Amino acid sequence: EVQVVESGGGLVQPGGSLRLSCAVSGFTFNNYWMGWVRQAPGKGLEWVANIKQDGSEKYYVDSVKGRFTISRDNAKNSLYLQMNSLRAEDTAVYYCARVRRGPYYIDVWGKGTTVTVSS
Amino acid sequence: QSVLTQAPSASGTPGQRVTISCSGSSSNIGSNSVSWYQQLPGTAPKLLIYSSNQRPSGVPDRFSGSKSGTSASLAISGLQSEDEADYYCAAWDDSLRGPVFGGGTKLTVL
Repeated sequence: EVQVVESGGGLVQPGGSLRLSCAVSGFTFNNYWMGWVRQAPGKGLEWVANIKQDGSEKYYVDSVKGRFTISRDNAKNSLYLQMNSLRAEDTAVYYCARVRRGPYYIDVWGKGTTVTVSS
Repeated sequence: QSVLTQAPSASGTPGQRVTISCSGSSSNIGSNSVSWYQQLPGTAPKLLIYSSNQRPSGVPDRFSGSKSGTSASLAISGLQSEDEADYYCAAWDDSLRGPVFGGGTKLTVL
């Protein structure tokens, strides 16, 4: 069974840091682009970042560039999102996603992990 | 403000056919395919349609997608109560060099 399971969310103060993890099983992890999508409370979906199979290409939405870093460990079947200089507007549920490129779509979603940035 | 535009709400009665629209521009829908996602209350999104009109295995054929120019549509026929959910469109944007989503349409089954 294909599964992606996020962890690492929590409450953090503005300016703080958090590292999200995503454990993958049921498919060959290093064959796929992966990404993070977030959803602020009561709001729609927003793409955050994508990473290529070998980690050689990484792309970010403008609002997180320079603050967030996406990475992966193919030996551990794991995806990560290092989030620094967190702001209140980063408060959201963060979903780990298996990404298809050419054409683009997301065919596997995790259940999400909640990040709350508040003092 | 989302890059792709969707009506915030739609409704229909059981058995009816409803259509949800998604409007974009030449840099996204106009030059790339569209995907659609269903988000039931309190759950993660689920892929409904990819490549504008393809259904993943397991998605009922009541759901269909189409694209014309810079707009796309999701049609749901034989509406059922369990279809009550939020629906999102998405497409790659060549200018932004990343995917963009619509703001979502909340479908209510009356």
